[in-house]
Amino acid sequence: DVKVTQSSRYLVKRTGEKVFLECVQDMDHENMFWYRQDPGLGLRLIYFSYDVKMKEKGDIPEGYSVSREKKERFSLILESASTNQTSMYLCASSSPNRETQYFGPGTRLLVL
Amino acid sequence: SQQGEEDPQALSIQEGENATMNCSYKTSINNLQWYRQNSGRGLVHLILIRSNEREKHSGRLRVTLDTSKKSSSLLITASRAADTASYFCATDAGNTDKLIFGTGTRLQVFP
Repeated sequence: DVKVTQSSRYLVKRTGEKVFLECVQDMDHENMFWYRQDPGLGLRLIYFSYDVKMKEKGDIPEGYSVSREKKERFSLILESASTNQTSMYLCASSSPNRETQYFGPGTRLLVL
Repeated sequence: SQQGEEDPQALSIQEGENATMNCSYKTSINNLQWYRQNSGRGLVHLILIRSNEREKHSGRLRVTLDTSKKSSSLLITASRAADTASYFCATDAGNTDKLIFGTGTRLQVFP
């Protein structure tokens, strides 16, 4: 069964902290994505990756970076967390041209 | 923004009734997908319809696509309380594997 896992369901951090959100998929998918979801704004793409060590900016990359050292793992990094980064973060993966994305359960991040 | 929009933003119905949600998008597409999200959880893929298809069924779900109007609808027949969730449409973003998600319809089904 397809599985995407995220390291934390809930996270509370302080302003200025460095935050790591981890995502792991067990489907051998090439594509991985990080989204943030805010009320009324839907899902917005932060970064995505088509291959190991490859990354491309999405629609709202400012304040974020990513790392993909292994095919199954895609990390989202908040270099210096700010209160406006309080949000639900969703990771997803897909195979090339397979169209369907598979999502993790999400991490709800609160930055105080 | 290329983001699609769902209509209505929120919908409340009784069990057994049908629920219809609409999605409009802005650019030409290869396919359109619908996803479901239970409260506080990730999204789950429901159904995909290609640009050369007009209607598709899956169980109690019926999806239509009108590319001339750049719109799609999702019909859930004989709704159940367990159908309570948010529903999102997503379109492909040209020749990439990215998806563009709409803002979602929040469906509440009362027993």
